[in-house]
Amino acid sequence: IVMTQSPATLSVFPGEGATLSCRASQSVSSNLAWYQQTPGQAPRLLIYGASTRALGIPARFSGSGSGTEFTLIISNLQSEDFAVYYCQQYNDWPPTYTFGQGTKLEIK
Amino acid sequence: QVHLVESGGGVVQPGGSLRLSCAASGFSFRTYGMHWVRQAPGKGLEWVAFIRYDGNELYCADSVKDRFTISRDNSQNTLYLQLHNLRPEDTAVYYCAKDSPGSGFAYWGQGTLVTVSS
Repeated sequence: IVMTQSPATLSVFPGEGATLSCRASQSVSSNLAWYQQTPGQAPRLLIYGASTRALGIPARFSGSGSGTEFTLIISNLQSEDFAVYYCQQYNDWPPTYTFGQGTKLEIK
Repeated sequence: QVHLVESGGGVVQPGGSLRLSCAASGFSFRTYGMHWVRQAPGKGLEWVAFIRYDGNELYCADSVKDRFTISRDNSQNTLYLQLHNLRPEDTAVYYCAKDSPGSGFAYWGQGTLVTVSS
């Protein structure tokens, strides 16, 4: 399964919202996660099951979608939200846990 | 709380071998599957391998199959990744991550850098 994220880079003003997309080459049902990674840090799980926020994740992060099309929406962007975001599927068997190539969210 | 600490990275020549370790604490290690994920410098994340909680099921990415072996010692709460026949394209930070079925990878170590260079 190939995961394709768009756009590659997104420039947004702090306080505004951002919409990130992830497309799967075949259905992954709702077995999709989103991660945030800042430079020099390990990835941080934001969303699993396509729409369930992980423990401690602020409500300004929301995920939606199923099948092949998924969206991560971040509202009211804070300085700490500017990072690289990855989607990951965990639906196939034998498992491949494929990641998308990432979307870099940068300050405009 | 969950704590994962990788070690064993370093500089190795092409064709060489290395064993990475991941020391786990703060949870019942023997009841969870574990993963290795890598990230080449300036690149994205690549899943490498998974091992079931009891070590009886193993899965590896095609890119490392027949060269890398995942294993675990539940008595020592430690996960391993044995790397053989290393190539320059294996240069990456290698992370271990705890599996939560159906819930993504909620816990990651800080990573260990493997550099394959002559």
